[in-house]
Amino acid sequence: DTGVSQDPRHKITKRGQNVTFRCDPISEHNRLYWYRQTLGQGPEFLTYFQNEAQLEKSRLLSDRFSAERPKGSFSTLEIQRTEQGDSAMYLCASSFSVYNEQYFGPGTRLTVT
Amino acid sequence: GENVEQHPSTLSVQEGDSAVIKCTYSDSASNYFPWYKQELGKGPQLIIDIRSNVGEKKDQRIAVTLNKTAKHFSLHITETQPEDSAVYFCAANRDDKIIFGKGTRLHILP
Repeated sequence: DTGVSQDPRHKITKRGQNVTFRCDPISEHNRLYWYRQTLGQGPEFLTYFQNEAQLEKSRLLSDRFSAERPKGSFSTLEIQRTEQGDSAMYLCASSFSVYNEQYFGPGTRLTVT
Repeated sequence: GENVEQHPSTLSVQEGDSAVIKCTYSDSASNYFPWYKQELGKGPQLIIDIRSNVGEKKDQRIAVTLNKTAKHFSLHITETQPEDSAVYFCAANRDDKIIFGKGTRLHILP
């Protein structure tokens, strides 16, 4: 396992469509984080999991967003009824514990037209 | 909540010179301060971090300093090289999360 992977790398969708992104963390990491990054900004925290439990969600995560991590392995982030304001880079990161370093994947760039 | 301020937003230095990026944080409970480098089209890459029980840490050409009293921390890159050109983010932990600064775009001039 060489690192965190994300799929797809790019997604173009029309407003109103649903999209789903996948993140595969480093295999021994029990924590998984989702961030959103817009142009010229740092990553903004969205939500995180410890194993399969979703422990916190940011107020940035509207009810159109949902994340899952079945069986504590890979995670999915779904956005329903996409809006143009959802256009951003969605980053996933994983860590071994709360005290350890977070390692990021390459991100999924979403463009909503 | 935690707020991380980073400056400058853009920095240009001559190849071989040093670069310094400074950050401040607001939450006195923060005890973990990572620095990330992000190249175009890639995710952030952890380059160095420091915890609150030390004041300085060095790894080859990169060093970080932490002043907990003033809530300041800085990244120092010496003998800069073209491959150092990227966006650099400082960050601080808040509870189980990491809060990022807005980034510094570093240009290394030939």
